[in-house]
Amino acid sequence: GAVVSQHPSWVICKSGTSVKIECRSLDFQATTMFWYRQFPKQSLMLMATSNEGSKATYEQGVEKDKFLINHASLTLSTLTVTSAHPEDSSFYICSARRTDSYNEQFFGPGTRLTVL
Amino acid sequence: SQQGEEDPQALSIQEGENATMNCSYKTSINNLQWYRQNSGRGLVHLILIRSNEREKHSGRLRVTLDTSKKSSSLLITASRAADTASYFCATENQGGKLIFGQGTELSVKP
Repeated sequence: GAVVSQHPSWVICKSGTSVKIECRSLDFQATTMFWYRQFPKQSLMLMATSNEGSKATYEQGVEKDKFLINHASLTLSTLTVTSAHPEDSSFYICSARRTDSYNEQFFGPGTRLTVL
Repeated sequence: SQQGEEDPQALSIQEGENATMNCSYKTSINNLQWYRQNSGRGLVHLILIRSNEREKHSGRLRVTLDTSKKSSSLLITASRAADTASYFCATENQGGKLIFGQGTELSVKP
């Protein structure tokens, strides 16, 4: 149990387009999901905390109008990178915290975004 | 930045040797976790140690936590080539956020 999926696993898009990444908890409910970004050879940086039914909380320096987060259900959060540019190319990883287990976060396999 | 620091940044050892990675952090924590990441892949959770624990074992893994020094270590005993990966520590704060360290790139040569 406790599987988190992401879709797509990789995406290539043209500069200026928007890309939506889905994060799903497959066999548990997640009130809270987190979105991270990882550049090559670097660590994961928390971008935002996504709470079901409310607005996401963004970390300092992350543009909320550029990275739109929607957490419409207990099993799905989406991250939309709007007007993507080459500098947005990165590995985006989500995690989901089980509603019934405060400390457990389960990570998705990541989405590789390449903006041309 | 609240990110922790890990050392070494890179570690290369022979199969069968032990590998030790260290992690330091800056703020108070609820727990500290260690993760593994193979190149270009997602994270695999290895072990969680709570702030009131000092040592924890899981198979070939041994984790220590010293809250007075704000540091932790991960020991992998009898390493295997399949252990080659990046290892990250992550601290969870009161708000439930995970703050990741810079990571250690481990290479185990057969």
